[in-house]
Amino acid sequence: AQSVAQPEDQVNVAEGNPLTVKCTYSVSGNPYLFWYVQYPNRGLQFLLKYITGDNLVKGSYGFEAEFNKSQTSFHLKKPSALVSDSALYFCAVRGRATDKLIFGTGTRLQVFP
Amino acid sequence: SQTIHQWPATLVQPVGSPLSLECTVEGTSNPNLYWYRQAAGRGLQLLFYSVGIGQISSEVPQNLSASRPQDRQFILSSKKLLLSDSGFYLCASVRGGWDTIYFGEGSWLTVV
Repeated sequence: AQSVAQPEDQVNVAEGNPLTVKCTYSVSGNPYLFWYVQYPNRGLQFLLKYITGDNLVKGSYGFEAEFNKSQTSFHLKKPSALVSDSALYFCAVRGRATDKLIFGTGTRLQVFP
Repeated sequence: SQTIHQWPATLVQPVGSPLSLECTVEGTSNPNLYWYRQAAGRGLQLLFYSVGIGQISSEVPQNLSASRPQDRQFILSSKKLLLSDSGFYLCASVRGGWDTIYFGEGSWLTVV
């Protein structure tokens, strides 16, 4: 079965420090992987995706993520956090033989001044 | 890029009343369409998805149904709402080949 795990409900980081939001997945075959951000009472906004190729993917707002096939992970990272990065972050996965798109439970990122 | 329209944006309905949430897509054709429910600002639960007109896959047994009468229209319905149907409903669209997924702005449903 296809699944996504975001093990941390909340991540707290000081402004200017690096941040990591964790995501692991389970899917048959090679995955399509995505990160989305959600601000209060809004729809989700796309940050980045891994389809194929380079394992390090760069996305919007200075975020990047690394696909690690052996660890089945796709952690979201940013070298220097901003207070405006505070939001709810979702990881999503789809197997290449299915149309089903599954999201994780979300991680709330709080960046303190 | 695609634009997803959802309406109504907010809805307060009594228990036992019917529901119709509509999603329409601009800027693409023959997309895969999805309905998700988000409770209490947390995880997204996949409810239904559709790969074409009249084709609906249901993920969770529930009080809801979905229909796709046109290529870029996806409707979420219920004949009789339950309190547990309250939540934030999101429609999503993606072209085949796994382009970026686009989301609507969501519909808040409160069942009272």
